Amino acid sequence: VQVLESGGGLARPGGSLRLSCTASRLTFNKFAVIWMRQAPGKGLEWVSAIGDSGRTTYYADSVKGRYTISRDNSRNTVYLQMGSLRAEDTAIYYCVIDDRGGTIGGHRWGQGTLVTVSS
Amino acid sequence: EIVMTQSPLSLSVTPGEPASISCRSSQSLRHLNGRNYVDWYLQKPGQSPQLLIYLASSRASGVPDRFSGSGSGTYFTLKITRVEAEDVGVYYCMQGEETRRTFGQGTKVEIK
Repeated sequence: VQVLESGGGLARPGGSLRLSCTASRLTFNKFAVIWMRQAPGKGLEWVSAIGDSGRTTYYADSVKGRYTISRDNSRNTVYLQMGSLRAEDTAIYYCVIDDRGGTIGGHRWGQGTLVTVSS
Repeated sequence: EIVMTQSPLSLSVTPGEPASISCRSSQSLRHLNGRNYVDWYLQKPGQSPQLLIYLASSRASGVPDRFSGSGSGTYFTLKITRVEAEDVGVYYCMQGEETRRTFGQGTKVEIK
């Protein structure tokens, strides 16, 4: 199983970015997908999740109303549209295939993509 | 929100010696199906978290057998039988019982 994030970069406060997460070597539409993040020098934080069909979505209070998660199962891809960005959104964002039950050997993490929000 | 509390927060270990990290949750992580949805990760500097243990005690693929996990309900432990130099980094526990995943604060392991 491979998980690859893209779309990170520099954004201005109040700006937007769209992250993408593509997974391969798994039946993608059987798994929920999670976005986690890690601010510089800090611990890990859950950000958002989407169910296997895309019908259910969840958000941390810190991003609710500003971020939107979606997926395209035909492309094995999940998106995280980030808007109204703040300095505190600066972090490495990780995409995680949700396999808490171990069907494919446990949660699968990507290498992360860095988002920097600065003027 | 389920709060995960790790201890200790830092550990200095002599190579070849054992090490142990504990993680306590604010509510039971034992699901109705009997499974405990707890992962353990090692994050080495500059890398993404590496899965060590899932379902509290199942070792992930490629993880050396010196790593083991145990526990049920609200108390979990990660043990390393003989620490090696490559084991340095920050260890995290994570609960998977709730959709809103939460992590312990992290335990920084260094070699003496």
